[in-house]
Amino acid sequence: DVVMTQTPVSLSVSLGGQTSISCRSSQSLVHSDGNTYLYWYLQKPGQSPQLLIYKVSNRFSGVPDRFSGSGSGTDFTLKISRVEPEDLGVYYCYQGTHYPHTFGAGTKLELK
Amino acid sequence: EVQLVESGGGLVQPGRSMKLSCAASGFTFSNYGMAWVRQAPTKGLEWVATISYDGSSTYYRDSVKGRFTISRDNAKSTLYLQMNSLRSEDTATYYCTRRGTGSDYWGQGVMVTVSS
Repeated sequence: DVVMTQTPVSLSVSLGGQTSISCRSSQSLVHSDGNTYLYWYLQKPGQSPQLLIYKVSNRFSGVPDRFSGSGSGTDFTLKISRVEPEDLGVYYCYQGTHYPHTFGAGTKLELK
Repeated sequence: EVQLVESGGGLVQPGRSMKLSCAASGFTFSNYGMAWVRQAPTKGLEWVATISYDGSSTYYRDSVKGRFTISRDNAKSTLYLQMNSLRSEDTATYYCTRRGTGSDYWGQGVMVTVSS
């Protein structure tokens, strides 16, 4: 199975600040069709996960441009700028290239 | 508006069966693959199974293979998860997700507790 390693486990950030989360996969996430099926989700307290970024760097509908994704192969990053209170929760990376699909363990974003 | 509403959860004894349903609305159900993702209490997310738009292809994680069956009824816009031989480690909130650009929409989740 592809292991998704997220760092850090938790983050403390000031409102209006900037931060980033790293996600590394144990093997390349480039699919045979040429796409890289790496996604980022946010799970706010008491809610279902919501899609933020699909295929490495594409913002999902309604996601503010404060969120950006980058990376390739096995190394990926989610950047959050101008952090707002609604950004708090647990962030997960997820790979949909190889079965079984796998999630990272999560990064908890808290206010400083 | 895309809506996914799960039902069928609850308390079940180890070794018994349970069937989850997910009623979809707000999109053409038969055009999309669907998936189940679960989350054990205080734990992270775990992919369980995926089914293609027409039901012809299914995929499972090893720990549920042979015990769980994902299926769909496109006429009813409903996704199912038949869970047999349930174990305590299957205790989780189960989310129904639409496979658009990844799992792009999620239901509110349904809790399954396996305990004697």
